[in-house]
Amino acid sequence: AQTVTQSQPEMSVQEAETVTLSCTYDTSESDYYLFWYKQPPSRQMILVIRQEAYKQQNATENRFSVNFQKAAKSFSLKISDSQLGDAAMYFCAYRRGKGAQKLVFGQGTRLTINP
Amino acid sequence: NAGVTQTPKFRILKIGQSMTLQCAQDMNHNYMYWYRQDPGMGLKLIYYSVGAGITDKGEVPNGYNVSRSTTEDFPLRLELAAPSQTSVYFCASSTGTLYEQYFGPGTRLTVT
Repeated sequence: AQTVTQSQPEMSVQEAETVTLSCTYDTSESDYYLFWYKQPPSRQMILVIRQEAYKQQNATENRFSVNFQKAAKSFSLKISDSQLGDAAMYFCAYRRGKGAQKLVFGQGTRLTINP
Repeated sequence: NAGVTQTPKFRILKIGQSMTLQCAQDMNHNYMYWYRQDPGMGLKLIYYSVGAGITDKGEVPNGYNVSRSTTEDFPLRLELAAPSQTSVYFCASSTGTLYEQYFGPGTRLTVT
């Protein structure tokens, strides 16, 4: 079974600094997708970034980028120029490819931004 | 365009009671999902549907039932509520398996 592990329950960063959240996963599949979701205090789950396993290039969305290391099964999220609005729970998630439905989530990392 | 809506936002149930959590989406998405999020944990899939009239179990289906009579609605039924079902429930929808899942705001359910 696929598993997703986030080893940092909490992280904090100074406003305008850079922070990296870690995620590792376990799978025997070669076709899959990886996601980072943000859950602010409002509880709404918001997709931050996604990465297709077949793509070697790391995904980037404005201040958010990933470091995807397929062989190491590692998928970290880097947030540059941290802003107060980035404070939230961040969840790493995995989904097998080829019509799979289930998103497998990690335990989450609570990110605090210090002004 | 309201996206994915869920009602109610909060509910307290007594053990053994039943209730239906409502979920609706106005994006004409074929795929819909129900997840639960226990305190300090990620989401786990309860049930999903790939279209009207088609549903299937996810990771944690016991104690729940679903139906999908229309594209827009995907209610989740709890029969004989138990304290283990205390959780936050999220509904989500998607155009397809290759695409992003859009989440509703969640329903916080407490069973006492």
